[in-house]
Amino acid sequence: DIQMTQSPSSLSASVGDRVTITCQASQDISKFLNWYQQKPGKAPKLLIYDASNLETGVPSRFSGGGSGTDFTFTISSLQPEDIATYYCQSYDNLPDRAFGQGTKVEIK
Amino acid sequence: QLQLQESGPGLVKPSETLSLTCAVSGGSFTSPVHYWGWIRQPPGKGLEWIASIYYTGSTLYSPSLKSRVTLSVDTSRSQFSLKLNSVTAADTAVYYCARDWRGSFDSWGQGTLVSVSS
Repeated sequence: DIQMTQSPSSLSASVGDRVTITCQASQDISKFLNWYQQKPGKAPKLLIYDASNLETGVPSRFSGGGSGTDFTFTISSLQPEDIATYYCQSYDNLPDRAFGQGTKVEIK
Repeated sequence: QLQLQESGPGLVKPSETLSLTCAVSGGSFTSPVHYWGWIRQPPGKGLEWIASIYYTGSTLYSPSLKSRVTLSVDTSRSQFSLKLNSVTAADTAVYYCARDWRGSFDSWGQGTLVSVSS
């Protein structure tokens, strides 16, 4: 089974700050990596697929990168509406879909 | 606008079978590029993929839950269903259905809380 290690588990930043979350896969997953945003009481929302592709309608301050086993998710300028928990999720041909533990983002 | 809606009992007794259905509307249920999946989230915890099913009935299962999970599909009603047997308190969670596009869950239901308790 693929294991996804996401860090940090939580962070606090100021409005306008650059925020970066990392996700590490237990094996090479090429670019098969997604990022989701989940606000309290709501279903997750797909933000980025295939490591770096922005889903339609998602603001450009969100970005993703990486390949193989190491990935990053960045909010270039944190906004109050970005308060949420963010999850990475891998998928591959085995097949398997595995989520990271989540990163809770708060405003300082 | 694609919509997914979960339905089923909100309370299940330990050792019994949890059964949920997801109704899909506003889009093609028999799309050749989509699976239909189930994801759960225990209260205050992270997300866990359970399984996904193609409209033909072909299935993908999480290795950790495979022995207890059965998925089925009803194309005439644009619905797919989840059965999880031998449930325990650890299966208490919000259960989401979602559209699975190449492993990316791009559209989700609102989720339904299922509690396991006697």
